[in-house]
Amino acid sequence: KQEVTQIPAALSVPEGENLVLNCSFTDSAIYNLQWFRQDPGKGLTSLLLIQSSQREQTSGRLNASLDKSSGRSTLYIAASQPGDSATYLCAVNGGSYIPTFGRGTSLIVHP
Amino acid sequence: DTGVSQDPRHKITKRGQNVTFRCDPISEHNRLYWYRQTLGQGPEFLTYFQNEAQLEKSRLLSDRFSAERPKGSFSTLEIQRTEQGDSAMYLCASSSGSASTDTQYFGPGTRLTVL
Repeated sequence: KQEVTQIPAALSVPEGENLVLNCSFTDSAIYNLQWFRQDPGKGLTSLLLIQSSQREQTSGRLNASLDKSSGRSTLYIAASQPGDSATYLCAVNGGSYIPTFGRGTSLIVHP
Repeated sequence: DTGVSQDPRHKITKRGQNVTFRCDPISEHNRLYWYRQTLGQGPEFLTYFQNEAQLEKSRLLSDRFSAERPKGSFSTLEIQRTEQGDSAMYLCASSSGSASTDTQYFGPGTRLTVL
Protein backbone atom coordinates (compact mmCIF):
# COMPACT_ATOMS: atom_id res chain seq x y z
CA LYS A 1 0.00 0.00 0.00
CA GLN A 2 1.37 3.41 -0.99
CA GLU A 3 2.16 5.74 1.88
CA VAL A 4 2.96 9.42 1.41
CA THR A 5 4.75 11.48 4.05
CA GLN A 6 5.27 15.21 4.04
CA ILE A 7 7.90 16.95 6.12
CA PRO A 8 7.76 19.36 7.83
CA ALA A 9 4.14 19.34 8.98
CA ALA A 10 4.30 23.09 9.57
CA LEU A 11 6.66 25.87 8.60
CA SER A 12 6.81 29.55 9.43
CA VAL A 13 9.21 31.80 7.55
CA PRO A 14 9.77 35.52 7.00
CA GLU A 15 8.83 37.01 3.66
CA GLY A 16 11.50 36.70 0.98
CA GLU A 17 12.97 33.38 2.07
CA ASN A 18 13.48 30.51 -0.33
CA LEU A 19 12.05 27.31 1.06
CA VAL A 20 11.77 23.60 0.36
CA LEU A 21 8.88 21.29 1.12
CA ASN A 22 9.45 17.56 1.11
CA CYS A 23 7.30 14.63 0.03
CA SER A 24 8.31 10.98 0.26
CA PHE A 25 6.49 7.88 -0.92
CA THR A 26 7.03 4.18 -0.26
CA ASP A 27 6.23 2.61 -3.66
CA SER A 28 8.32 3.98 -6.52
CA ALA A 29 6.05 2.48 -9.22
CA ILE A 30 4.21 5.71 -9.89
CA TYR A 31 2.76 7.36 -12.98
CA ASN A 32 2.91 10.90 -11.71
CA LEU A 33 3.16 13.13 -8.65
CA GLN A 34 1.11 16.24 -8.20
CA TRP A 35 1.54 19.20 -5.86
CA PHE A 36 -1.52 21.08 -4.65
CA ARG A 37 -2.23 24.19 -2.62
CA GLN A 38 -5.16 24.41 -0.22
CA ASP A 39 -6.34 27.58 1.47
CA PRO A 40 -8.27 27.22 4.76
CA GLY A 41 -11.77 25.88 4.23
CA LYS A 42 -11.33 25.67 0.46
CA GLY A 43 -10.73 23.02 -2.17
CA LEU A 44 -7.36 22.06 -3.64
CA THR A 45 -5.65 23.94 -6.45
CA SER A 46 -3.25 22.06 -8.70
CA LEU A 47 0.21 23.65 -8.83
CA LEU A 48 2.44 21.23 -10.71
CA LEU A 49 2.27 17.70 -12.10
CA ILE A 50 5.44 15.70 -12.73
CA GLN A 51 5.17 12.61 -14.87
CA SER A 52 7.23 9.60 -13.81
CA SER A 53 9.58 10.10 -16.77
CA GLN A 54 10.31 13.70 -15.80
CA ARG A 55 12.75 15.05 -13.23
CA GLU A 56 11.26 18.48 -12.60
CA GLN A 57 8.59 20.99 -13.50
CA THR A 58 8.58 24.77 -13.05
CA SER A 59 5.82 27.33 -12.80
CA GLY A 60 6.77 30.88 -11.91
CA ARG A 61 8.43 30.87 -8.49
CA LEU A 62 7.66 27.18 -7.99
CA ASN A 63 9.91 24.30 -8.94
CA ALA A 64 9.09 20.67 -8.21
CA SER A 65 11.56 17.84 -8.58
CA LEU A 66 11.04 14.10 -8.61
CA ASP A 67 13.48 11.30 -7.74
CA LYS A 68 11.40 8.22 -8.33
CA SER A 69 14.09 5.71 -7.38
CA SER A 70 14.49 7.19 -3.92
CA GLY A 71 10.79 7.92 -3.50
CA ARG A 72 11.16 11.65 -3.02
CA SER A 73 9.86 14.91 -4.38
CA THR A 74 10.58 18.47 -3.32
CA LEU A 75 8.66 21.68 -3.92
CA TYR A 76 10.90 24.73 -3.99
CA ILE A 77 9.31 28.14 -3.48
CA ALA A 78 11.50 31.09 -4.34
CA ALA A 79 11.22 34.50 -2.71
CA SER A 80 8.24 33.56 -0.54
CA GLN A 81 5.37 36.04 -0.09
CA PRO A 82 2.59 36.30 2.50
CA GLY A 83 0.15 35.23 -0.24
CA ASP A 84 1.95 31.88 -0.38
CA SER A 85 0.57 31.03 3.08
CA ALA A 86 -1.49 27.86 2.68
CA THR A 87 -1.26 24.11 3.09
CA TYR A 88 0.71 22.31 0.39
CA LEU A 89 -0.14 18.70 -0.38
CA CYS A 90 1.50 16.16 -2.61
CA ALA A 91 -0.35 13.27 -4.20
CA VAL A 92 1.07 10.19 -5.89
CA ASN A 93 -0.72 8.32 -8.70
CA GLY A 94 0.23 4.64 -8.98
CA GLY A 95 -1.61 4.10 -12.27
CA SER A 96 -5.08 3.32 -10.98
CA TYR A 97 -6.18 6.95 -11.38
CA ILE A 98 -6.64 7.02 -7.59
CA PRO A 99 -4.03 9.28 -5.98
CA THR A 100 -2.66 8.86 -2.47
CA PHE A 101 -2.28 12.14 -0.61
CA GLY A 102 0.09 13.20 2.11
CA ARG A 103 -1.14 15.15 5.13
CA GLY A 104 0.34 18.38 3.83
CA THR A 105 2.72 21.06 5.03
CA SER A 106 1.10 24.13 6.57
CA LEU A 107 3.08 27.19 5.50
CA ILE A 108 2.92 30.65 7.03
CA VAL A 109 4.91 33.46 5.44
CA HIS A 110 4.93 36.49 7.70
CA PRO A 111 5.69 40.04 6.53
CA ASP B 1 -15.09 26.54 -18.30
CA THR B 2 -16.37 27.45 -14.86
CA GLY B 3 -14.46 24.80 -12.94
CA VAL B 4 -15.84 22.16 -10.61
CA SER B 5 -18.81 23.27 -8.53
CA GLN B 6 -20.36 21.71 -5.44
CA ASP B 7 -23.64 22.28 -3.69
CA PRO B 8 -24.33 23.00 -0.91
CA ARG B 9 -21.18 24.59 0.45
CA HIS B 10 -22.22 23.94 4.02
CA LYS B 11 -24.64 21.47 5.56
CA ILE B 12 -25.61 21.11 9.19
CA THR B 13 -27.75 18.11 10.06
CA LYS B 14 -28.84 16.07 13.02
CA ARG B 15 -27.57 12.58 13.64
CA GLY B 16 -29.68 10.01 11.86
CA GLN B 17 -30.77 12.27 9.01
CA ASN B 18 -29.93 11.65 5.35
CA VAL B 19 -27.97 14.19 3.33
CA THR B 20 -27.21 14.51 -0.38
CA PHE B 21 -24.45 16.51 -2.03
CA ARG B 22 -24.09 17.44 -5.67
CA CYS B 23 -20.99 17.89 -7.82
CA ASP B 24 -20.82 19.38 -11.31
CA PRO B 25 -17.47 18.56 -12.94
CA ILE B 26 -15.65 20.39 -15.71
CA SER B 27 -17.78 19.59 -18.72
CA GLU B 28 -15.26 17.74 -20.87
CA HIS B 29 -13.86 15.61 -18.01
CA ASN B 30 -14.85 11.96 -18.03
CA ARG B 31 -13.58 11.06 -14.56
CA LEU B 32 -15.18 12.27 -11.34
CA TYR B 33 -13.95 11.62 -7.80
CA TRP B 34 -15.30 12.00 -4.28
CA TYR B 35 -13.01 12.48 -1.29
CA ARG B 36 -13.47 13.13 2.40
CA GLN B 37 -11.09 15.37 4.32
CA THR B 38 -10.85 15.97 8.06
CA LEU B 39 -8.78 18.61 9.81
CA GLY B 40 -5.05 18.10 9.43
CA GLN B 41 -5.40 15.22 7.00
CA GLY B 42 -5.06 14.88 3.27
CA PRO B 43 -8.09 13.99 1.16
CA GLU B 44 -9.21 10.37 1.62
CA PHE B 45 -10.50 8.64 -1.51
CA LEU B 46 -14.15 7.53 -1.40
CA THR B 47 -15.14 6.59 -4.94
CA TYR B 48 -14.67 7.47 -8.60
CA PHE B 49 -16.54 7.31 -11.88
CA GLN B 50 -15.45 7.08 -15.46
CA ASN B 51 -18.38 8.50 -17.38
CA GLU B 52 -21.43 6.94 -15.68
CA ALA B 53 -19.63 3.81 -14.45
CA GLN B 54 -18.55 3.64 -10.80
CA LEU B 55 -15.14 1.99 -11.13
CA GLU B 56 -13.76 2.06 -7.61
CA LYS B 57 -15.17 2.38 -4.13
CA SER B 58 -13.05 2.60 -1.01
CA ARG B 59 -13.27 -0.31 1.40
CA LEU B 60 -13.53 2.33 4.11
CA LEU B 61 -16.86 3.46 2.69
CA SER B 62 -19.73 2.02 4.66
CA ASP B 63 -23.03 0.92 3.16
CA ARG B 64 -24.53 4.20 4.34
CA PHE B 65 -22.70 5.99 1.55
CA SER B 66 -23.84 5.84 -2.05
CA ALA B 67 -22.86 7.81 -5.12
CA GLU B 68 -24.33 8.12 -8.58
CA ARG B 69 -23.45 9.73 -11.86
CA PRO B 70 -26.52 8.89 -13.91
CA LYS B 71 -25.70 10.55 -17.22
CA GLY B 72 -21.97 10.82 -16.94
CA SER B 73 -22.22 14.50 -16.05
CA PHE B 74 -23.06 15.65 -12.51
CA SER B 75 -22.78 13.32 -9.53
CA THR B 76 -24.52 12.99 -6.18
CA LEU B 77 -23.18 11.59 -2.92
CA GLU B 78 -25.74 10.48 -0.37
CA ILE B 79 -25.07 9.64 3.26
CA GLN B 80 -27.86 7.83 5.05
CA ARG B 81 -28.38 7.82 8.82
CA THR B 82 -25.59 10.30 9.41
CA GLU B 83 -23.28 9.89 12.39
CA GLN B 84 -21.10 12.45 14.15
CA GLY B 85 -18.05 10.76 12.66
CA ASP B 86 -19.29 11.75 9.19
CA SER B 87 -18.52 15.39 9.96
CA ALA B 88 -15.89 16.41 7.41
CA MET B 89 -15.25 18.31 4.21
CA TYR B 90 -16.48 16.38 1.18
CA LEU B 91 -14.50 17.20 -1.93
CA CYS B 92 -15.27 16.47 -5.55
CA ALA B 93 -12.68 16.46 -8.33
CA SER B 94 -12.72 15.80 -12.05
CA SER B 95 -10.07 14.92 -14.60
CA SER B 96 -9.31 13.57 -18.04
CA GLY B 97 -6.20 12.33 -19.85
CA SER B 98 -3.86 9.38 -19.47
CA ALA B 99 -2.57 7.97 -16.19
CA SER B 100 0.67 9.89 -16.64
CA THR B 101 -0.94 13.25 -17.30
CA ASP B 102 -4.08 12.97 -15.17
CA THR B 103 -4.48 16.32 -13.40
CA GLN B 104 -7.27 16.52 -10.87
CA TYR B 105 -9.29 19.72 -10.54
CA PHE B 106 -11.11 20.15 -7.26
CA GLY B 107 -14.33 21.88 -6.30
CA PRO B 108 -14.67 24.12 -3.23
CA GLY B 109 -16.04 21.30 -1.10
CA THR B 110 -19.13 20.74 1.03
CA ARG B 111 -18.56 21.03 4.76
CA LEU B 112 -20.82 18.66 6.68
CA THR B 113 -21.49 19.08 10.39
CA VAL B 114 -23.47 16.34 12.13
CA LEU B 115 -24.88 17.37 15.49
